[in-house]
Amino acid sequence: GNSVTQMEGPVTLSEEAFLTINCTYTATGYPSLFWYVQYPGEGLQLLLKATKADDKGSNKGFEATYRKETTSFHLEKGSVQVSDSAVYFCALTDHTGGFKTIFGAGTRLFVKA
Amino acid sequence: DVKVTQSSRYLVKRTGEKVFLECVQDMDHENMFWYRQDPGLGLRLIYFSYDVKMKEKGDIPEGYSVSREKKERFSLILESASTNQTSMYLCASSFISQGVMNTEAFFGQGTRLTVV
Repeated sequence: GNSVTQMEGPVTLSEEAFLTINCTYTATGYPSLFWYVQYPGEGLQLLLKATKADDKGSNKGFEATYRKETTSFHLEKGSVQVSDSAVYFCALTDHTGGFKTIFGAGTRLFVKA
Repeated sequence: DVKVTQSSRYLVKRTGEKVFLECVQDMDHENMFWYRQDPGLGLRLIYFSYDVKMKEKGDIPEGYSVSREKKERFSLILESASTNQTSMYLCASSFISQGVMNTEAFFGQGTRLTVV
């Protein structure tokens, strides 16, 4: 079945450090890939998405590239801020698997001033 | 803005009670979902619905049921609450774009349920 694996946290960085959160997936079809972010006390919100191989999604300085050959969708940001502290979820929706979105376990990011 | 509203932010219920969690979306989305979120396990799908009166089991449906009588409302029912159902419950909705499911899910704020 479909699955998403992302690196375990928590990840602790200093402000302005480079961020990478790894995400790999298994899917039977041609999935769309997403990164969602959850700030403390809130629901999830979409951060970025990519719908086909080699697409790059980007938003708020974050970016991720859909790599079909390595089945990966790693999240990166060149310079993190304290306000980026949150939980980040990698997710996929497989068009052959109905309408379900499958989420990874989430990675908590702490950014220190 | 799309809005997904869950009826309660916090709930405390007793073991054996029947519990209703309500979710309403205002964007005429076809699809609605219920997830539970637990530390280290991410989001796990309980049930979803792609149309009024339609429902499909997710990965962990045991102990739960759902109701979708109107397009905008999707209810999660705990038939007899147990302590292992203490969790954060998240409702989401999405629409179908050009017949494919490549659009984002919009989430409510979540309901933190404690069963004592």
